[in-house]
Amino acid sequence: QVQLVESGGGVVQPGRSLRLSCAASGFTFNTYPMHWVRQAPGKGLEWVAVISYDGSEKYHADSVKGRITISRDNSKNTLYLQMNSLRAEDTAVYYCAREMTDHGGLDVWGQGTTVTVSS
Amino acid sequence: QSVMTQPPSASGTPGQRVTISCSGSSSNIGTFYVYWYQQLPGTAPKLLIYKNNKRPSGVPDRFSGSKSGTSASLAISGLRSEDEADYYCAAWDDSLSGRVFGGGTKVTVL
Repeated sequence: QVQLVESGGGVVQPGRSLRLSCAASGFTFNTYPMHWVRQAPGKGLEWVAVISYDGSEKYHADSVKGRITISRDNSKNTLYLQMNSLRAEDTAVYYCAREMTDHGGLDVWGQGTTVTVSS
Repeated sequence: QSVMTQPPSASGTPGQRVTISCSGSSSNIGTFYVYWYQQLPGTAPKLLIYKNNKRPSGVPDRFSGSKSGTSASLAISGLRSEDEADYYCAAWDDSLSGRVFGGGTKVTVL
């Protein structure tokens, strides 16, 4: 079945780095744009980044530009989020999501992985 | 503070109709499609409406979306207890060169 499984979350000190992964299965990964969306504790959804199906185009939210980078390895059916210079405000559940090419909606979501930035 | 504004809460009794608004600007809702997501407690979001008013297969026709100018709305008719959730609007924003979500609306079934 179509599935996205995030991993790599954990507790990290401010200023350190973390890389999240999102393993895709059950669909042709290299034909879909992919997104990261996060949700801080008790807060709403915040879009983080998107990457085109082939990785040639990337867009990041202003709040993470220069610190957090989206990437993908289509040979491994895996999406990544490299998070550097982490701050307390990056504490959140991070979801990866698939974008439907014909309508732009995020139709498949992972279960999320939790990142806690704390000293 | 999101660039798209939703009321923080909405409520209704079973069977009632509830409407959630999403107010944006010409750089997002005024130009691009609006999407709606439902997030049940403790779960990942689920796509409810795409392209302003289209429902993915499996979404009941009790849910409907509309858009006019720089605003959009989600209507839930025949409200049921299982509709108690957070609802988010979303769109691309040209000024930000990114997707944006509204702040979310918590729907309570009284």
